Amino acid sequence: NAGVTQTPKFQVLKTGQSMTLQCAQDMNHNSMYWYRQDPGMGLRLIYYSASEGTTDKGEVPNGYNVSRLNKREFSLRLESAAPSQTSVYFCASHLGQGIAFFGQGTRLTVV
Amino acid sequence: GESVGLHLPTLSVQEGDNSIINCAYSNSASDYFIWYKQESGKGPQFIIDIRSNMDKRQGQRVTVLLNKTVKHLSLQIAATQPGDSAVYFCAEKTTGNTPLVFGKGTRLSVIA
Repeated sequence: NAGVTQTPKFQVLKTGQSMTLQCAQDMNHNSMYWYRQDPGMGLRLIYYSASEGTTDKGEVPNGYNVSRLNKREFSLRLESAAPSQTSVYFCASHLGQGIAFFGQGTRLTVV
Repeated sequence: GESVGLHLPTLSVQEGDNSIINCAYSNSASDYFIWYKQESGKGPQFIIDIRSNMDKRQGQRVTVLLNKTVKHLSLQIAATQPGDSAVYFCAEKTTGNTPLVFGKGTRLSVIA
């Protein structure tokens, strides 16, 4: 049972480049999330998806787009990366009011 | 807007002592709370949770206390060990299709 899997684990982008962060969960969870974590800071919600086919903005959605491809997969896209988007990105999922499980994170550096 | 926050950003304790990490929340509609532990370079890991119809819940060496009157949550770690060194986050959620909201975190350092 893999839980929540994020790819890639590390990425370096040049300013203006685009990329998609992938997330997949095998726990049949309804809800999925994308958070970012800056050094020494907490987790800030970028987008979440309460169920397949729905997405909602979180606290810091600007500069990002998401796709809930199916129940398993929730991707995060940076269309034009900026240095301010250098961060660690975490995907999470949970079922109803249950515990949220996190992936191991994607460490993104924008130069 | 309403958010979850923490009283102390850092906490240093001697090995073997008990640790208490505090969290204040302001959303009175929150009915589910979780404590997470995040070790360096890893994603947050579940420690213990509590629902609003309870005021105390115990796990292995950990206890969560919920005081709804003052909107306060605490995590108690008994006999703190070096492996407990990490950042601890509280998170809260309301009923329905609402997201989990995290506080800023407290770094726990265990002194051997």
